Amino acid sequence: GEDVEQSLFLSVREGDSSVINCTYTDSSSTYLYWYKQEPGAGLQLLTYIFSNMDMKQDQRLTVLLNKKDKHLSLRIADTQTGDSAIYFCAESSDDGFQKLVFGTGTRLLVSP
Amino acid sequence: ETGVTQSPTHLIKTRGQQVTLRCSSQSGHNTVSWYQQALGQGPQFIFQYYREEENGRGNFPPRFSGLQFPNYSSELNVNALELDDSALYLCASSSDRYLGYTFGSGTRLTVV
Repeated sequence: GEDVEQSLFLSVREGDSSVINCTYTDSSSTYLYWYKQEPGAGLQLLTYIFSNMDMKQDQRLTVLLNKKDKHLSLRIADTQTGDSAIYFCAESSDDGFQKLVFGTGTRLLVSP
Repeated sequence: ETGVTQSPTHLIKTRGQQVTLRCSSQSGHNTVSWYQQALGQGPQFIFQYYREEENGRGNFPPRFSGLQFPNYSSELNVNALELDDSALYLCASSSDRYLGYTFGSGTRLTVV
């Protein structure tokens, strides 16, 4: 079955780069997503990457996909205190409908 | 674009009771999914509705049921509540299921 794993915690200083890693198991995943969740809030879609891409850049965000190793990473450049949140990696599967399988989330703490 | 709105934001119910959670999606979002997020975990897929019919279900018992209406609103019903049903319930909608979902802020359900 599908499974997504992430490290639980990352701490960085303001201005540094953050790299959040994720591994997934479903090789048939068509899209992979990064969502951000702030305390008491729902999930905010940050970016996504199609499975035939290796890299996607969107302003401060860079997504790298290694399909052979089933490894996804999210790099946040010039990390700000407002980036402190929980980041979820999610893979999609398409069995006639699309469901998202989420990791347990990585809590990013940015200190001044 | 008004986003995805969920109500109520918080709810306390007694074990054995029934609950209805509501979601109002953006106009044109004909796909809606519901997720359960237990404390400290990633969201788990409950089911998905497309054009008012359930077209996919996760590993949840039949006492979890739903409805989707023509006006882009939907409901999640849970019968015979158990203590383990305590969680954040998230509604997510999309007009193109391959380009990600917009999530609501969730309903925090506490079963006592």
